[in-house]
Amino acid sequence: SYDLTQPPSVSVSPGQTASITCSGDKLGNKYTSWYRQKPGQSPVLVIYRDSERPSGIPERFSGSNSGNTATLTITGTQNMDEGVYYCQVWDTGTFVFGPGTEVTVL
Amino acid sequence: EVRLVESGGGLVKPGGSLRLSCAASGFSFNTFSMNWVRQAPGRGLEWVSFISDASTHINYADSVKGRFTISRDDAKSSLFLHMNSLRAEDSAMYYCARVITRPPLFLPEDLDYWGPGTLVTVSA
Repeated sequence: SYDLTQPPSVSVSPGQTASITCSGDKLGNKYTSWYRQKPGQSPVLVIYRDSERPSGIPERFSGSNSGNTATLTITGTQNMDEGVYYCQVWDTGTFVFGPGTEVTVL
Repeated sequence: EVRLVESGGGLVKPGGSLRLSCAASGFSFNTFSMNWVRQAPGRGLEWVSFISDASTHINYADSVKGRFTISRDDAKSSLFLHMNSLRAEDSAMYYCARVITRPPLFLPEDLDYWGPGTLVTVSA
C-alpha cells in the first residue's frame, strides 16, 4: 500500500507563511490534493492537481509537487486558516490520505 | 447547489449490521463516482470504498473488504454502504463524498463535495 507522511503540527504567526509538506515515494508522479478540516466540520478541498485552487478558495493557498514531496503553502496566514490539513492521492484504485497536519495560528 | 446528506448511523453491537445512505442532489448523480470516507474520533481520514458511475468499478479498503458493500441507486440519486460483522474499530463518522475525474485520463483524483457525515458507534 502507498503511504503518505505529514508533520503532526505547524505553527505560524498571523500574516506569515505556513508550509505543510506531504511525502511519499515518487509523489511527484501523482496528483496531490489538499483538504482542510475544522473541528466538527467536514473536510473542504483547498488544492487539487498539486496546485489548482477550487472556486472560492483564496489566492493565499498554493501548492507544488516534485520528487517525493508535495507542499501546501499559505501566504499571509489568517486565523480562519487554522485546522487540520490532509494531503491525498489516488493510487492503484485506492484513495490514500496523509495523517494530517494541525495548523495553529498563534 | 450540490448537497450530500448521510443517514443511517447509530449504536450497534459488535458483530451487528448497519446500512448507511447518502442522498445526493444538485448534480447529475449518475455521471459521478462516489466514495465513503470515515474518521474515528480524534483520528485522521480513512478511505473506505469507491464506486464508479454505473457501478463498473468498486474498490474497498483492506480493513473493510469482505464485510462492507457499497452500492448506488441512480434513479434515487442515492449511495449506500452495507456494513456487516461490525467491530469496535469501525466506530467513526462516515462521510460520503463526490469523486472528481478530469481529462485526459479521467481517473479519480479528488473529492470536491462532502456530506456532514453520520456517526456509527459499535459497542456492547
